[in-house]
Amino acid sequence: DADVTQTPRNRITKTGKRIMLECSQTKGHDRMYWYRQDPGLGLRLIYYSFDVKDINKGEISDGYSVSRQAQAKFSLSLESAIPNQTALYFCATSPPKDTGELFFGEGSRLTVL
Amino acid sequence: AQSVSQHNHHVILSEAASLELGCNYSYGGTVNLFWYVQYPGQHLQLLLKYFSGDPLVKGIKGFEAEFIKSKFSFNLRKPSVQWSDTAEYFCAVNGGNKLVFGAGTILRVKS
Repeated sequence: DADVTQTPRNRITKTGKRIMLECSQTKGHDRMYWYRQDPGLGLRLIYYSFDVKDINKGEISDGYSVSRQAQAKFSLSLESAIPNQTALYFCATSPPKDTGELFFGEGSRLTVL
Repeated sequence: AQSVSQHNHHVILSEAASLELGCNYSYGGTVNLFWYVQYPGQHLQLLLKYFSGDPLVKGIKGFEAEFIKSKFSFNLRKPSVQWSDTAEYFCAVNGGNKLVFGAGTILRVKS
């Protein structure tokens, strides 16, 4: 089983719908992240959390929100999806020591029509 | 703010050719440097990393990278590529508490 699990893996939705992407991990890491990947833009950080009570905005947080339900769970929500949020979303974790090495989930491909 | 620049977005090579992918970053302090690889349809995996010490680091599958501090560069190299190296490669830099990625380089190796 994967150490970092994302659900759903694929989702097609319509403009204006609320979408939640879920991430759970068994690595025991405190730090969790949500990135989106777009062709030619690499990965951009949406939100990150260093522990259950810590939530921080990344470089592109507008239109997104997150919830850190437990050490192992970190959810990303799109309150009202729009087409330019069509992307591949990755959850990642990292250990407490700030080396920057990330462990990624398999990705969630979201299409907003 | 940190930024990472990858020189080429697409590279096409024949098998056995040598590979060098450029990566430059902007950050004035101490950095940790990474190359990640994303094979088609898969998630990102760590290829190699540099924290300190010998600036020439070796990773998996015959890849290596050289950190040149004076040039703010961390170029990825492989002497002889294989068809299975077809993937997208991302350089990433951690100079604070977040990892910043470059835009990626798509490598296609022709058999």
